[in-house]
Amino acid sequence: QLQLQESGPGLVKPSETLSLTCTGSGDSINSGGYYWGWIRQSPGKGLEWIGSVYYNGRTYYNPSLNSRATISIDTSKNHFSLNLTSMTAADTAMYYCARRRWGYMDVWGKGTTVIVSS
Amino acid sequence: DIVMTQSPATLSVSPGESATLSCRASQSVANLLAWYQQRPGQAPRLLIYGASTRATGVPARFSGSGSGTEFTLTISSLQSEDFAIYYCQQYSNWPPLTFGGGTKVDI
Repeated sequence: QLQLQESGPGLVKPSETLSLTCTGSGDSINSGGYYWGWIRQSPGKGLEWIGSVYYNGRTYYNPSLNSRATISIDTSKNHFSLNLTSMTAADTAMYYCARRRWGYMDVWGKGTTVIVSS
Repeated sequence: DIVMTQSPATLSVSPGESATLSCRASQSVANLLAWYQQRPGQAPRLLIYGASTRATGVPARFSGSGSGTEFTLTISSLQSEDFAIYYCQQYSNWPPLTFGGGTKVDI
């Protein structure tokens, strides 16, 4: 059964780029029919979809992020990644990776906390 | 973007009672709607997709209904582990995928 695990720095300075990786275990992420994506949740707030990547590398992003997000996939390493540029305090959040089947997320990682502070 | 509005923001119920949560879309999403449960300190968990299909392992006391712009999640005979925040999410018109603001079910 697929499990996902986020990894990356817990603290990022303002204006820097956040880099997170989501590694799959128990199954391959190189399977058609699934998208692999990122969702975040600011403290005490709801869920915000960041974007998704298909197994073939095609990407989709939330326009609200103004092209700051880049998601890539490396099926040989069974992982996918998120880069988010120009970080500000407003980007402080719990970041989740998830598998997307059709349009809904059926497998989630446990999440990783990212704080933006100097 | 399609705006998802959930009501009420908080629902207070007693164990054993039922709870009815609402989700409204700013435009029709057909039946392309999912519900998630998020317990404190945990990641969201998929409960319902296609507006009414329970995900694998989800107890039968959870049921979803609706289509178009109005949707309902009903939890019958609430158990202690059901006290959580529930989110709806549309996947009809994307990007972006959009979530409702959540309904907290508490005691």
